[in-house]
Amino acid sequence: DTEVTQTPKHLVMGMTNKKSLKCEQHMGHRAMYWYKQKAKKPPELMFVYSYEKLSINESVPSRFSPECPNSSLLNLHLHALQPEDSALYLCASSRRLAGGRGRRDTQYFGPGTRLTVL
Amino acid sequence: SQQGEEDPQALSIQEGENATMNCSYKTSINNLQWYRQNSGRGLVHLILIRSNEREKHSGRLRVTLDTSKKSSSLLITASRAADTASYFCATDAPGAGANSKLTFGKGITLSVRP
Repeated sequence: DTEVTQTPKHLVMGMTNKKSLKCEQHMGHRAMYWYKQKAKKPPELMFVYSYEKLSINESVPSRFSPECPNSSLLNLHLHALQPEDSALYLCASSRRLAGGRGRRDTQYFGPGTRLTVL
Repeated sequence: SQQGEEDPQALSIQEGENATMNCSYKTSINNLQWYRQNSGRGLVHLILIRSNEREKHSGRLRVTLDTSKKSSSLLITASRAADTASYFCATDAPGAGANSKLTFGKGITLSVRP
């Protein structure tokens, strides 16, 4: 199983709503990532978890709150978002964060959640 | 800021032709990876080339890496309509384990006409 799943596929929310994005993998990967991608732009890294601990936070606003309850699951909790936060949110996982001599394993991406903030 | 810059930004070719996409980067790297993304979907990893490698093949894909010029090229031979997608190069730069990360270029939109 080389699949990363994300739910929901589409989400529409108001600026006062609280919602969560979910990501799951069963490949035994110990590094998981959240990316944000705007239309016709490359993915931008938001958060990295390694062994269920937050490893990188790319200065993401606190209205985005990541959570890694176990090695297979990664959540992104959303609260008080702005319309400019509308984007495709991609989850990815890799076997580990950095292999020997700093080499990184391949990242496997989920299909993404298309988020629209009204 | 993006590490990789792909060239061209858009490419339109006829089915059966070869497609060549280039990527340039600025700092030293551990490896360089190419990903494909179909419209609005997740990224699919295509190929990884390490900094000590110069060329790598995978099926119809051929990747080259020139670390002296800080550039890479992705060649898709005998293109098919199904190859229509956006292609991103991504660089993995050296860094203290937790601080190393994959940085994506702006992407190339490839259209293969049937």
